[in-house]
This record gives sequence, structure tokens and C-alpha cells, in this order.
Amino acid sequence: NAGVMQNPRHLVRRRGQEARLRCSPMKGHSHVYWYRQLPEEGLKFMVYLQKENIIDESGMPKERFSAEFPKEGPSILRIQQVVRGDSAAYFCASSRGQGITYNEQFFGPGTRLTVL
Amino acid sequence: QQQVKQSPQSLIVQKGGISIINCAYENTAFDYFPWYQQFPGKGPALLIAIRPDVSEKKEGRFTISFNKSAKQFSLHIMDSQPGDSATYFCAASSGAGSYQLTFGKGTKLSVIP
Repeated sequence: NAGVMQNPRHLVRRRGQEARLRCSPMKGHSHVYWYRQLPEEGLKFMVYLQKENIIDESGMPKERFSAEFPKEGPSILRIQQVVRGDSAAYFCASSRGQGITYNEQFFGPGTRLTVL
Repeated sequence: QQQVKQSPQSLIVQKGGISIINCAYENTAFDYFPWYQQFPGKGPALLIAIRPDVSEKKEGRFTISFNKSAKQFSLHIMDSQPGDSATYFCAASSGAGSYQLTFGKGTKLSVIP
């Protein structure tokens, strides 16, 4: 049973370019969370999505960042016009759903974004 | 405002010893408290989790102790092994929200032979 998959694992962009990060949840999971981890820091919540819906984007920067989880295909985290401060590891987690027995989140291996 | 405070920042333990990592939270709405283990270059892996209706949960060498009144919880690793050397994160979430995890800043554990 494949775990959460993320690609690319490493991404290098120059300032001003766009970064697209992809996440495929575990089989049977329909809920996706994105987190960002800065060096020597814990993970910070960015956005929570279900298929075709953004449920909570309270942790997402107001500008340049967007996320989607289409009916078919992976979830995408998109960062437009990247700046050096966007350099971080971006992790996706998935869960089966909500509720006391369903909200365990399992993480992917992450995408390490480096902005030159 | 940091909602989950984790200590210590780093920890060195002798092989066979007990590793103890502590976390404190502020938000009384939190009702789920997982611990994650992360190796360099990898994603966090769910280790063990507890809900506030119990004061302790044990899985193998890993035990969570939970003190609801003090708003504190801790991870104990018994018989620590060099392979346990990793960064450990406590986290908390609330069913009143969207279950997003609020993480502590992590503890880097080194188990020396």
C-alpha cells in the first residue's frame, strides 16, 4: 500500500519563477494538508483541502500561494514569483477524513524548495 | 503566539537509557496529541498518539503521558537505541477546527553507544 507521494523531491527555482509541488494522498484518503518546515523549525500548517474544495487556508500567505485538489489527479501547491524566503521543505499529509478515528495524518517525504 | 512548547531542544542519552521529551499546550480545545519522528531528509512519521480521555498510552518502547489539568504531555522512550536518533515533534489538533496539526519546534535526540 503506497504511502503519500510527493514530487519533485527537490526543486530549484530562481527568484521570480513559479514553483509547483504535487502530492498524491494514500489510497483511500480524501483529505490533504500542506505544511511548511523552515530549517531547525517545526512544521507550520498552510492549507487543508478535500477533493475540489479548500476547507481551511488560514495558514496560507495571502499572496503568491495557492492550492488545489482536483477531482482527478494530485493536489498542487503553487507558489508564484518565488522569493528567497520561500526556500523550505514543503510536506503534504493525508488522512481518511474527519472524526475521532479518521484524522490521523500521514506525511509524504516532502519537496525541498531552494530559491536562488 | 506559539501554542505548543517543546523541550528540550536537544537531548543526548546513553544507549539503554530513558529519553524524555516534554510538551505544553495552551489551547484547551486541543483533543488529539500525536508524536512524530523525523530522520534527516525524510518526512515525519507518526509514532504514537493520545487523546485526553486517557492519561497514558504505551506502544512498545514508546509511552505518552498526558496531564490534562497541567496541559502537558510527554514522550518516554525506554531502552533508547542508536537507531532512535532522530528529531521528535509533538503536535496537537482540535476537532473544533479542521484538525490541522500545531507542532512543537522539535527535539533532536542523539543516542550514544
